[in-house]
Amino acid sequence: KAGVTQTPRYLIKTRGQQVTLSCSPISGHRSVSWYQQTPGQGLQFLFEYFSETQRNKGNFPGRFSGRQFSNSRSEMNVSTLELGDSALYLCASSSGPAGTEAFFGQGTRLTVV
Amino acid sequence: AQSVAQPEDQVNVAEGNPLTVKCTYSVSGNPYLFWYVQYPNRGLQFLLKYITGDNLVKGSYGFEAEFNKSQTSFHLKKPSALVSDSALYFCAVRDTRNTGFQKLVFGTGTRLLVSP
Repeated sequence: KAGVTQTPRYLIKTRGQQVTLSCSPISGHRSVSWYQQTPGQGLQFLFEYFSETQRNKGNFPGRFSGRQFSNSRSEMNVSTLELGDSALYLCASSSGPAGTEAFFGQGTRLTVV
Repeated sequence: AQSVAQPEDQVNVAEGNPLTVKCTYSVSGNPYLFWYVQYPNRGLQFLLKYITGDNLVKGSYGFEAEFNKSQTSFHLKKPSALVSDSALYFCAVRDTRNTGFQKLVFGTGTRLLVSP
């Protein structure tokens, strides 16, 4: 069974630009969550999608958005990039019930210059 | 609000010795607890979880963790450390009241260094 796939693995963007990151969950998983990992703030929850609906959102500005498609694939978008958005962005998928573990992709390393 | 504390930034242990990585948590309801490991430039890899039942849970690669409700702790343990266990370890909690929601709250991580 294929794992969680995130593309691209690395990105370099300039301040003010926007970026779109993609996540393909494990087949059959309907829940996709996104996290930001930085040395200073650690792992922070961004948002969760289930059956194309956002059902939970972390404390991030509106520049961070996401969506989920009917095949459960998800994208997150960051507009008007700031230097502080440089981070490892991790996607996790799970089958749904709260007691199930989440499986993470390898992440997208975003560098804003 | 949920929170997780990992009081040690780094744990050093010699290969073959037992290891413990500490975790305490705070939730309003009952917790679901998880341990993940991260190798350099990689995502998080699931090790084990506590949902309910036996307080000692066994996971991947010989790791186990003990749930202690009175001390609100969920320490990760391994009887005999390997050099290849050297990595960054994260404890995470999910509040059982949020049925179906997948949000995890993570600790700050503990770097484990196993020397030969």
